[in-house]
Amino acid sequence: QVQLVESGGGVVQRGGSLRLSCAASGFTFSSHGMHWVRQAPGKGLEWVAFIKYDRKISYAESVKGRFTISRDNSRNTLYLQMDTLRPEDTALYYCTRDGFNYALDMWGQGTRVTVSS
Amino acid sequence: QSALTQPPSASGSPGQSVTISCTGTSSDVGGYNYVSWYQQHPGKAPKLLIYEGFKRTSGIPDRFSGSKSGNTASLTVSGLQAEDEADYYCKSFAGRNYWVFGGGTKLTVL
Repeated sequence: QVQLVESGGGVVQRGGSLRLSCAASGFTFSSHGMHWVRQAPGKGLEWVAFIKYDRKISYAESVKGRFTISRDNSRNTLYLQMDTLRPEDTALYYCTRDGFNYALDMWGQGTRVTVSS
Repeated sequence: QSALTQPPSASGSPGQSVTISCTGTSSDVGGYNYVSWYQQHPGKAPKLLIYEGFKRTSGIPDRFSGSKSGNTASLTVSGLQAEDEADYYCKSFAGRNYWVFGGGTKLTVL
């Protein structure tokens, strides 16, 4: 079954940390770039971070220096380490697959992160 | 990394056509042929409709079409149906492994 399943979300205080995971199945994980995209309550989509199949990495300015994206191809798992969390990081975080054409062709159902002040 | 500009809302009656615009700059929309469009129903994850500006993903009806002129990309939904009521987002590659989304457009079928 081709799917992405996120986990690790929760409620954390300002300045705290969380580690999100995304388990991939049904496709060759190591061949695809992977992204994290978030959606604040009632708001639009925001690109957060990207890791290429060769582990090249990029971040949105809003999270640079606080978030770290990584992947374990042996476990078919994508991660997002989130440190120094702020209330504005409160969102539903989606794990998504880059479909070789700079488009996000597969999405998980998301994991919710709430940062209290 | 400024968000692409989309109209907050659009509407049309069943059977009509609606076009949603997505305006960026020469550093994103105008600089690359990598605009994609996503449909999101309430409480659901987004779904890819269009990639590389005009190519439809497998299973997407030809009522959905994409185009680009200069720094503005467009999504046209023809023959509107009730199930097309959703939020629509554009996304563009912005070089050096950066991406940017539009603010989203809420499409209402009257």
